[in-house]
Amino acid sequence: EAEVAQSPRYKITEKSQAVAFWCDPISGHATLYWYRQILGQGPELLVQFQDESVVDDSQLPKDRFSAERLKGVDSTLKIQPAELGDSAMYLCASSYSRSSGSNTGELFFGEGSRLTVL
Amino acid sequence: AQKITQTQPGMFVQEKEAVTLDCTYDTSDQSYGLFWYKQPSSGEMIFLIYQGSYDEQNATEGRYSLNFQKARKSANLVISASQLGDSAMYFCAMREGSGISGNQFYFGTGTSLTVIP
Repeated sequence: EAEVAQSPRYKITEKSQAVAFWCDPISGHATLYWYRQILGQGPELLVQFQDESVVDDSQLPKDRFSAERLKGVDSTLKIQPAELGDSAMYLCASSYSRSSGSNTGELFFGEGSRLTVL
Repeated sequence: AQKITQTQPGMFVQEKEAVTLDCTYDTSDQSYGLFWYKQPSSGEMIFLIYQGSYDEQNATEGRYSLNFQKARKSANLVISASQLGDSAMYFCAMREGSGISGNQFYFGTGTSLTVIP
């Protein structure tokens, strides 16, 4: 069964260091999402791509966070410099652009990248 | 206003009993989708069940059913015959959007379910 791939699974870093997360969505999924989930809370959207274009990055802290999806397939989320408050789970998800027929338009999630900033 | 509201931070249920997790939503769209996801302590988000706004019948998937009350804008998850493995966080989510530029998803704050042996 096709899956959303994410790496690394775990990352421990010191504050002020740079961190990067990678995501490879399910083949054929044009829409890719990066979410941040703080422990005990729901996922919050950081950035949404449609193919290689950013659709929504209104909640992305652009002074330190950047995201790209250059060829409209895999994506990288970068944090530089990392701060203590960035400790969280970073979830990547993908979906079909449209819901039609038997397609519910659900989000398919990767296993997540758990970041700890010391 | 919150798009998705889950008012139960934590719930307990006896093994083999049924439990209802509450979810209300807010949208002005006519076409939308409602989802429930399960998140065990390992962190992955597992899709459980889907209800489309035009679906007249409540969705069911094995032991999961979605009690969809459109007029009340509620989409409660019912888990029947609870098992120890059901202990996890449960998130209600809503999909909006025409799909042209991708859909927007909104998540609730989650309900932590603990199944007691």
